Amino acid sequence: DAGITQSPRHKVTETGTPVTLRCHQTENHRYMYWYRQDPGHGLRLIHYSYGVKDTDKGEVSDGYSVSRSKTEDFLLTLESATSSQTSVYFCAISENRQETQYFGPGTRLLVL
Amino acid sequence: EDKVVQSPLSLVVHEGDTVTLNCSYEVTNFRSLLWYKQEKKAPTFLFMLTSSGIEKKSGRLSSILDKKELFSILNITATQTGDSAVYLCAVVNSGTYKYIFGTGTRLKVLA
Repeated sequence: DAGITQSPRHKVTETGTPVTLRCHQTENHRYMYWYRQDPGHGLRLIHYSYGVKDTDKGEVSDGYSVSRSKTEDFLLTLESATSSQTSVYFCAISENRQETQYFGPGTRLLVL
Repeated sequence: EDKVVQSPLSLVVHEGDTVTLNCSYEVTNFRSLLWYKQEKKAPTFLFMLTSSGIEKKSGRLSSILDKKELFSILNITATQTGDSAVYLCAVVNSGTYKYIFGTGTRLKVLA
């Protein structure tokens, strides 16, 4: 298994509070991704990173920001959580953009 | 708009049965198609297909791609309860390298 961990694994928070999810990899891969998974939808890309301090938006980026200050860590922040952001969040990594993406174990977020 | 559609949405079979899962796609610039298996947590990679007509095989699982008709199938023979999972299909756009996922097929194998 690719060395990817996510923290926390579960979180319950209230509407309007900030939330930060962390993805950590030990593979030294250049690309890292954040997806959300919701019933009736496939995995949808939120943001991705192609290097330290290099990030770009995915298809559902509104309400989310990301940061990557080290190769191994990619943070996803919900500045002010809303109930529509209740979801399961997956991090993925790939060696470069042409290579297969491998997924972390996921974070289940509930916004009340 | 790029789109991936999987069918059926769900399937219940008995151990020993053979199942065929379908993935059809519309994408502006096709690079590859991937299959993942998702049990309770992370999707795990099964196959990547880039060329038509070449079967990829791993144990009881096999998959093939038809780039003319724009679909792929995933076959599982002699199913086991451990095959119970959601099977995800994703297509990679060669312009953006972004993955477009289908909603998955939920397979339940009964003992």
